[in-house]
Amino acid sequence: AQKVTQAQTEISVVEKEDVTLDCVYETRDTTYYLFWYKQPPSGELVFLIRRNSFDEQNEISGRYSWNFQKSTSSFNFTITASQVVDSAVYFCALSEDLAGTASKLTFGTGTRLQVTL
Amino acid sequence: GAGVSQSPSNKVTEKGKDVELRCDPISGHTALYWYRQSLGQGLEFLIYFQGNSAPDKSGLPSDRFSAERTGGSVSTLTIQRTQQEDSAVYLCASSTRTGQTYEQYFGPGTRLTVT
Repeated sequence: AQKVTQAQTEISVVEKEDVTLDCVYETRDTTYYLFWYKQPPSGELVFLIRRNSFDEQNEISGRYSWNFQKSTSSFNFTITASQVVDSAVYFCALSEDLAGTASKLTFGTGTRLQVTL
Repeated sequence: GAGVSQSPSNKVTEKGKDVELRCDPISGHTALYWYRQSLGQGLEFLIYFQGNSAPDKSGLPSDRFSAERTGGSVSTLTIQRTQQEDSAVYLCASSTRTGQTYEQYFGPGTRLTVT
């Protein structure tokens, strides 16, 4: 069975601080995909990134960066120089690779990030 | 282009009544998913469609829940004899193949309240 753990329930930071959201996953699959979604107060889940299990390269997109480490089954997300607009609930998710067919997402419980001035 | 749309955005119903929730996926997306988000259970998978077929219904919590998809497009999630524990936000997502996998794009959800 697949499982995603986001141990941080809530994080509060002051604007311009860097913050890292942790994600640890469990799966028996050798091929799988990891995702991060953002859920702002409006409620709609917004796709941020997808990473497959064969690609351990870290990725940077503007102020966002992701660190995927298979050895520790972690896929952590860092926001550099946080802004108030980053305030949201962030979900890490995992899906298995069914020979290129679609698969359900298994979500973590989410981390609520509060960025204040 | 248009994203995933869901209707209604809010639904209040009395315990024991049936409800239908609708999802319009992004045009051309072959896969469609239903999830439920509630305070106690987080984000849970319910069912997924590939075309009009449902290869994975493993998340449906009881036989009161059913879903169908027609024309490879619109999907309806039906909950019969609603119970208070069915109160949640029901999210729909759609996806199409991108490289070797599918990225799911979510709709705004339907907030269901059972009184």
